[in-house]
Amino acid sequence: QKEVEQDPGPLSVPEGAIVSLNCTYSNSAFQYFMWYRQYSRKGPELLMYTYSSGNKEDGRFTAQVDKSSKYISLFIRDSQPSDSATYLCAIVSGGSYIPTFGRGTSLIVHP
Amino acid sequence: DGGITQSPKYLFRKEGQNVTLSCEQNLNHDAMYWYRQDPGQGLRLIYYSQIVNDFQKGDIAEGYSVSREKKESFPLTVTSAQKNPTAFYLCATQAGGYTFGSGTRLTVV
Repeated sequence: QKEVEQDPGPLSVPEGAIVSLNCTYSNSAFQYFMWYRQYSRKGPELLMYTYSSGNKEDGRFTAQVDKSSKYISLFIRDSQPSDSATYLCAIVSGGSYIPTFGRGTSLIVHP
Repeated sequence: DGGITQSPKYLFRKEGQNVTLSCEQNLNHDAMYWYRQDPGQGLRLIYYSQIVNDFQKGDIAEGYSVSREKKESFPLTVTSAQKNPTAFYLCATQAGGYTFGSGTRLTVV
């Protein structure tokens, strides 16, 4: 079993939809959670990061962490075609500084 | 304008040839990383360096080599021992979260 599981998709939604992207992880020592967005042929860019369980909001994006279920989510409200990209989760354990990345989920928002 | 510069953007390698991918940063970050990205496999760590003149192997170091003679520079050499080098290569620095370069796409011809 991989340490971080992420459905590769693709996930196709209409413009304006609420998008839910998810990762599960197996190592309970993971403590630091990040979401990256990667456009085609570009490097990933950091969207959000959080240390704790609960929700963190930034504009149209909300990151949610449930440590008891080892489950993290990224919600995108009012999705736009410009949100079409691959979204990668990345998780760091308390004893390390090197993240473990999920495989990425491809999101397509169609007009 | 701070950031990471990877060059070249596209690189073609003949069989049995060594090639070097450049990564330069002006963010003044100590830690630098090289990742390989293949379709459907996510990011895999090749090498990383926390400080000048020191580097460590990642999960897939075989067939690759690096150097870290300057804080700003962390070049990656793909040697002829790497049997399947065609991939997208990403350099990153770390201060909290990662900052990635724009990548180099390497193709064997």
